[in-house]
Amino acid sequence: DTEVTQTPKHLVMGMTNKKSLKCEQHMGHRAMYWYKQKAKKPPELMFVYSYEKLSINESVPSRFSPECPNSSLLNLHLHALQPEDSALYLCASSAGKNEKLFFGSGTQLSVL
Amino acid sequence: GQNIDQPTEMTATEGAIVQINCTYQTSGFNGLFWYQQHAGEAPTFLSYNVLDGLEEKGRFSSFLSRSKGYSYLLLKELQMKDSASYLCAVRDRDGATNKLIFGTGTLLAVQP
Repeated sequence: DTEVTQTPKHLVMGMTNKKSLKCEQHMGHRAMYWYKQKAKKPPELMFVYSYEKLSINESVPSRFSPECPNSSLLNLHLHALQPEDSALYLCASSAGKNEKLFFGSGTQLSVL
Repeated sequence: GQNIDQPTEMTATEGAIVQINCTYQTSGFNGLFWYQQHAGEAPTFLSYNVLDGLEEKGRFSSFLSRSKGYSYLLLKELQMKDSASYLCAVRDRDGATNKLIFGTGTLLAVQP
């Protein structure tokens, strides 16, 4: 299994809603990532987890809250988002700090 | 600061060869990746360079010159399915974690 699975594929939410994005991999990778990608722009790093501990937070607003319940799962909890947060949210994993990233197909988020 | 530049768009003909350039200025360097991304899909790994020189993998080759802060991706025998965005990404020299910074991306259109 060389896949990173993200759910849901599409999400529409209001600015007062609370929702969560989920990511799962069964490759035994110990590093997991959240990236944000706006249309026609490159992915921008948000968070990095290494061995289930948060190691990088790229100054992301607190309305985005990551969680790594175990080595296979990564969540992104969303609360009180703004319309400008609408984007494709990509999850990725890697075997180690010098290994290539495997990406999921993303969650297309629209905030109304 | 971090700066990774690529041409925004390129057009090429089916069966031809195309070279996509990437120049970078980053605070650290620990390898350069090329990813392919079709619209609405996950980025997929194409190649990795950490030492100077050419890496060849089938129809795709990637070159790196660390002294010039320069890389290119060479695609041979272009096929229609090669129409996609091509992302250059530099791994920052963060010893603890794999921090990948993406360039602006090049949208390649392959025409019949």
